[in-house]
Amino acid sequence: QVQLVQSGAEVKKPGASVKISCKASGYTLTSYGISWVRQAPGQGLEWMGWINADNGHTNYTRNLQGRVTMTTDTSTSTAHMELRRLRSDDTAMYYCTRDSYGGYDLFDYWGQGTLVTVSS
Amino acid sequence: DVVMTQSPLSLPVTLGQPASISCRSSQSLVYSDGNTYLNWFQQRPGQSPRRLIYKVSNRDSGVPDRFSGSGSGTDFTLKISRVEAEDVGVYYCMQGTHWPATFGGGTKVEIK
Repeated sequence: QVQLVQSGAEVKKPGASVKISCKASGYTLTSYGISWVRQAPGQGLEWMGWINADNGHTNYTRNLQGRVTMTTDTSTSTAHMELRRLRSDDTAMYYCTRDSYGGYDLFDYWGQGTLVTVSS
Repeated sequence: DVVMTQSPLSLPVTLGQPASISCRSSQSLVYSDGNTYLNWFQQRPGQSPRRLIYKVSNRDSGVPDRFSGSGSGTDFTLKISRVEAEDVGVYYCMQGTHWPATFGGGTKVEIK
């Protein structure tokens, strides 16, 4: 069965970076993409960006460009999302979700979420 | 960006009664391939989102048939024919037709 298992919670200081992993199993990673979605405490869902797990092509939301990098490691079937220059408003639950090869329309399987807390 | 507007924000429902959630987009969601990339998600308290409906009206495997999606263009609806206790949570619509993908603000379904 398809599973996405994310790395554990992180606590970071403002200005630091965080890198979250998302290990995929039960399907061929390179046949799909991965989108990342975040949810601030008590708030709604925000799409952050997408990566084609086959060719590495990425597409990031406008307000995160320059701070976010999404990558995949096909040898371990793992996707990574790095967010730099963290601010307090980056405090959120971060989810990876399986997406289509072409991008941002599938979202059929989700990871369990990784809580990132940014605090001095 | 395409704005997705859901209503109502909160929906108290009596067990066994129907519920309906509206989602309106600021632009048509019909893509050049003829598909409409409008999904519905359920997020139960403390859980990850779960996709219920894809491309407007296609129910995901394992989703009870009391859930149905309909609509076209810019106007979409999620209906629950008879609400059960396990349906409590927040429901989101999402469009994947236009970059960037955008979500509605969510509708909280609770039992009266």
